[in-house]
Amino acid sequence: DGGITQSPKYLFRKEGQNVTLSCEQNLNHDAMYWYRQDPGQGLRLIYYSQIVNDFQKGDIAEGYSVSREKKESFPLTVTSAQKNPTAFYLCASTGQSGANVLTFGAGSRLTVL
Amino acid sequence: SQQGEEDPQALSIQEGENATMNCSYKTSINNLQWYRQNSGRGLVHLILIRSNEREKHSGRLRVTLDTSKKSSSLLITASRAADTASYFCATGGGADGLTFGKGTHLIIQP
Repeated sequence: DGGITQSPKYLFRKEGQNVTLSCEQNLNHDAMYWYRQDPGQGLRLIYYSQIVNDFQKGDIAEGYSVSREKKESFPLTVTSAQKNPTAFYLCASTGQSGANVLTFGAGSRLTVL
Repeated sequence: SQQGEEDPQALSIQEGENATMNCSYKTSINNLQWYRQNSGRGLVHLILIRSNEREKHSGRLRVTLDTSKKSSSLLITASRAADTASYFCATGGGADGLTFGKGTHLIIQP
């Protein structure tokens, strides 16, 4: 079955550590996105990528980095520069231009101890 | 950027009743989408309504769009316990993806 796989589902890290969240899709989608969700809040865009080897900052990119070396993969690194990294992170993709109906992964919950 | 805001923030109803939630947005749109999120999970696309459409149905879901008021509503008829979730409206559709509201948390009481 096609879909988006995010890993790990739960992650704990100490302050000052970088962590990388994985996002893999087998939908043959060109565009991929990373969103952050805080409790009781909507989704905020961190980074997005329309094609391989190209990505753009979203609304809250500070303290995060991404790469897009393969069409299927769009990993997100939460760096130590991110001041409040504890959150639920969602990866999404779309193969449709214009309407942008998104397919989401199950999410990764990061907790900083 | 365009942004939807859902109302109410939370809604609790009895199983079998209808649930209505609303979304308001700020600028002109090409389409508006509704998504559902079960607790601790990713979002699932429910329905898309285009700016030239006024109403759309999908199973027990009915979505309306009033572009003059910049608002949309999502009606879930004959609610079930499995409908308990958060519901988000989303606008956008350009290269930078969608902009989501804060959602309506719906609880269906058995």
